[in-house]
Amino acid sequence: NAGVTQTPKFQVLKTGQSMTLQCAQDMNHEYMSWYRQDPGMGLRLIHYSVGAGITDQGEVPNGYNVSRSTTEDFPLRLLSAAPSQTSVYFCASRDTRGTGNTIYFGEGSWLTVV
Amino acid sequence: GNSVTQMEGPVTLSEEAFLTINCTYTATGYPSLFWYVQYPGEGLQLLLKATKADDKGSNKGFEATYRKETTSFHLEKGSVQVSDSAVYFCALSSAETSGSRLTFGEGTQLTVNP
Repeated sequence: NAGVTQTPKFQVLKTGQSMTLQCAQDMNHEYMSWYRQDPGMGLRLIHYSVGAGITDQGEVPNGYNVSRSTTEDFPLRLLSAAPSQTSVYFCASRDTRGTGNTIYFGEGSWLTVV
Repeated sequence: GNSVTQMEGPVTLSEEAFLTINCTYTATGYPSLFWYVQYPGEGLQLLLKATKADDKGSNKGFEATYRKETTSFHLEKGSVQVSDSAVYFCALSSAETSGSRLTFGEGTQLTVNP
């Protein structure tokens, strides 16, 4: 029962480098999203997807790209990393069955941009 | 827009003390309310939830009641343990935020001393 799986867990990048944070879920959830967590600010939504082939921007989308070619996968791309993108990133998926809009999170990816 | 306000932390308690973490929200319509917990070095885990007014969510000795009249969802536990030390996030989701995106509070750091 894997749930939401994120990789890598830790990454250090140099300014200007690009990388992709991977996210996969095995619960057949239609809705997936990426959040970043910064001290004193809670979690903020970066991008989200309501199904394969559909993506949209959240609160803080600048500097990030996403795609959703399959139901299972929702990678987050940093095209040119900046120190302001140092953060903890969480992928999440939503259970649309039943009630309550429960959202399940991955274990997080700690990213440092130097 | 939607917003969640949590009591400022950090909160430090002795083992077996009573815990209250205040959470108030602003939202249109009838949001679902959640408490998530983040243990050190880990991702977010759903602690409890409530989907309509007067619902009480409960789990692991924690409970919170959805109070629409005061727009609150305060987290309580009668007797905390050292293992409860974590960051607690109040959050809401509503149909208005397409796809039921979560809006988070800032988080409250709880430390329980033996």
